[in-house]
Parts: sequence; C-alpha cells; structure tokens
Amino acid sequence: DIQMTQSPASLSASVGDRVTLTCRASQSIASYLNWYQQRPGKAPTLLIFGASSLHSGVPSRFSGSGSGTDFTLTISSLQPEDFATYYCQQSYSAPRTFGQGTKLEIK
Amino acid sequence: EVQLEESGGGLAQPGGSLRLSCAASGFTLSSYDMNWVRQAPGKGLEWISFISRTSGIKHYADSVKGRFTVSRDNAKNLLYLHMNSLRAEDTAVYYCAREQWDPFDLWGLGTLVTVSS
Repeated sequence: DIQMTQSPASLSASVGDRVTLTCRASQSIASYLNWYQQRPGKAPTLLIFGASSLHSGVPSRFSGSGSGTDFTLTISSLQPEDFATYYCQQSYSAPRTFGQGTKLEIK
Repeated sequence: EVQLEESGGGLAQPGGSLRLSCAASGFTLSSYDMNWVRQAPGKGLEWISFISRTSGIKHYADSVKGRFTVSRDNAKNLLYLHMNSLRAEDTAVYYCAREQWDPFDLWGLGTLVTVSS
C-alpha cells in the first residue's frame, strides 16, 4: 500500500496568513493526489483533485501543487472558516490511502 | 439537491452485525463508483471499501476483509455495507462517498457505529 505522510500534524496561524501544508507519498503517484477539508463535526469535502485542480465552488485562495511524491496545499489568505483539518489522499492505486491529517488552528 | 445520506448505525455487541445504508438523491447512483470511509473517534480517515458501478469490482481494506461486504441496488439508488464479526476497533463514523473518476467528490453526513458490550 502507498503510505501518505502529512506535515505538520498541526499548525497555528492567524486570519490573513499564508500557509502551506505538505503531503508526501511513499512512492511516485504522478499527480493522483487529492486534498480534503474537514471542519469539526462535519463530513470531509473535496478541495483539490489531480494535485492542482480546484473543485467546483472552492475559493481561489486554495491552491495545490506537486507531482511524483511531494505535494503542497497553500491557502493564500486564511479566513475564519478555513480553520479545519486537511487530509491528502492518493488515487493512484487501491487502496485509496489518506494522510493522517493536518489540523489548522487559530493562533 | 445532490446528496448522500447514511443510516443504520448504532450500538452493536462485539461479534455482532450491522447493515449500513447510503441513499443517493439528486443524481443517478448507477453512474458512479462508490466507497465507504470511516473515522474512529478523534482519528483520521480510513478508506475501507470500493464498489464499481455495476458491482463487478469490489475492494476492501485489510482491516475489514472477510468481515464486511459492500453491495448496491442501483434501481433503488442505495449502497450498503454489511458488517459482521464486529470488533471494538470498528467503532467509528462511517461515510459513503461518491467517486468522480478519481477523487471522492460527494460525501454523506456519516453514521456512527459503536461496538461495545
């Protein structure tokens, strides 16, 4: 199975900050990398697919990049509703493994 | 409105069984591959099962293989997860998720399964 490792595990930031979250795959997954946001007590929602494509309705302050084994999710200017946990997921092969998540907290 | 809604969760005893359902509305279930994902309390997301559009392909995580069975009734727009030989470590919120080519583009609200004596 492909292992997905996210860093950091948690991050404190302020409204308006620019933040970058990292996800690393245990082997090359080309651009088969998706990002999800999960707010407390809610179901996950898709943010980015194919490493860099923004899902419909997702604000443009979110962006993704990377290929192969190293990927990043960047939020250009944090808004209050962005404080949540973010998960990466590889869709290169079964099983569709997730990273352990990065919890973004208000400083 | 396009949505998924899980049901069937609750309290089960170790070794017991439960059947979860996932009702699709606002779209045709038969057009999509589907997945089940679970989240133990305070933990991350764990993919557990996949079923293709026509049920021809099914995959399971090692943690549930041989105990859980995924099925679907496209005529009724329903997805199922049959869970047998339940263990305490199966305690989690269970989500159904629609797969749009690769990503999971639509998730249900989840249903809580608690395995305890």
